[in-house]
Amino acid sequence: DQQVKQNSPSLSVQEGRISILNCDYTNSMFDYFLWYKKYPAEGPTFLISISSIKDKNEDGRFTVFLNKSAKHLSLHIVPSQPGDSAVYFCAASTGRGSGGGADGLTFGKGTHLIIQP
Amino acid sequence: DVKVTQSSRYLVKRTGEKVFLECVQDMDHENMFWYRQDPGLGLRLIYFSYDVKMKEKGDIPEGYSVSREKKERFSLILESASTNQTSMYLCASSLKWYGYTFGSGTRLTVV
Repeated sequence: DQQVKQNSPSLSVQEGRISILNCDYTNSMFDYFLWYKKYPAEGPTFLISISSIKDKNEDGRFTVFLNKSAKHLSLHIVPSQPGDSAVYFCAASTGRGSGGGADGLTFGKGTHLIIQP
Repeated sequence: DVKVTQSSRYLVKRTGEKVFLECVQDMDHENMFWYRQDPGLGLRLIYFSYDVKMKEKGDIPEGYSVSREKKERFSLILESASTNQTSMYLCASSLKWYGYTFGSGTRLTVV
């Protein structure tokens, strides 16, 4: 059973426009969400995160929105740039940690964002 | 900056071989993880460890084992490699349950 779902395998957006990547989750115990960006032949790199006590977190061109009642989050990139072309993974955690150790992030399957010039 | 180093970028092994994938981190992180990435399947957790000599199974541990004898090193072992273990393997470490840093990955091909 897939607990973190990214239903769009790919997304094509024109340079300068807004890119919106979506993510749904089913586990109500998830309380921390992250977005990772991955280029081919490289490991994923952390992009932005949000705690369940917030509904929005912004970092430069990147904003993550969380709708807990809908179990949905989205990543907005404005304006989109050619260097944003990559695979984006949504990830979630129940936040167990310190002392008990991490339980490992659960990742979605990823969305391949293509920025068209 | 935290650095997570995976010993090999590319590996080709034969079916039935025992394969060791090594991962070293240099920031005294408690937690370390092994994931595999496959097209259409995303990142799947194989094993993780939150302390030396401690290990926990992830979502897909079958066919794999791990070793963590020192805090900075976490090894993934394929006891008898099979073609369905051809994949990109990613190691990560973290101080807490968030803030993962990934290595560059090892692309393993089993022939």
